[in-house]
Amino acid sequence: DTEVTQTPKHLVMGMTNKKSLKCEQHMGHRAMYWYKQKAKKPPELMFVYSYEKLSINESVPSRFSPECPNSSLLNLHLHALQPEDSALYLCASRRLAGEISETQYFGPGTRLLVL
Amino acid sequence: GQQVMQIPQYQHVQEGEDFTTYCNSSTTLSNIQWYKQRPGGHPVFLIQLVKSGEVKKQKRLTFQFGEAKKNSSLHITATQTTDVGTYFCAGPTPGSARQLTFGSGTQLTVLP
Repeated sequence: DTEVTQTPKHLVMGMTNKKSLKCEQHMGHRAMYWYKQKAKKPPELMFVYSYEKLSINESVPSRFSPECPNSSLLNLHLHALQPEDSALYLCASRRLAGEISETQYFGPGTRLLVL
Repeated sequence: GQQVMQIPQYQHVQEGEDFTTYCNSSTTLSNIQWYKQRPGGHPVFLIQLVKSGEVKKQKRLTFQFGEAKKNSSLHITATQTTDVGTYFCAGPTPGSARQLTFGSGTQLTVLP
């Protein structure tokens, strides 16, 4: 099973709403990632969790709050977003084997529209 | 910081023509990965190259890693409409093998 799942597939929210994006993998991967992707641009790293601990935060605004409840799950809590936050949010996971750079497996993404 | 550039940014080809995208890094890479993203889809891993001068083939796709490990190319022979999408190269971010730095991508359109 090389699948990363994400819910919901689409999300429309107002600037005062609170919502959460969910990501799940059962490949035993111990690194999980959140990316933001705008149209026609490469994925832009937001957060990295290694062994369920936040290891990298790429200066993301506090209106985005990640959470890793266990080794299979990754959440992204959204609050008071701006219209410019509308994008495709991708989750990815990767097996950790020392510091060898290995493949990242991407989920299908959540298409977020902030009104 | 590290930069990974791809050219061309866009490419339109007639079905059956060949296509090549080039990836250039400002730093030496321990490895390079290639991903394909279909319109409306998500990045899907294609291949990883590790050795200097390495060449790998997947059916009509040929991947090369430069001798200096700073550049790479993806060549598609006799394109088909199923090849449509954006092709990204990605290399480990210096100082953090757990991060990838993605190239700017090449968007391929195949005209039937």
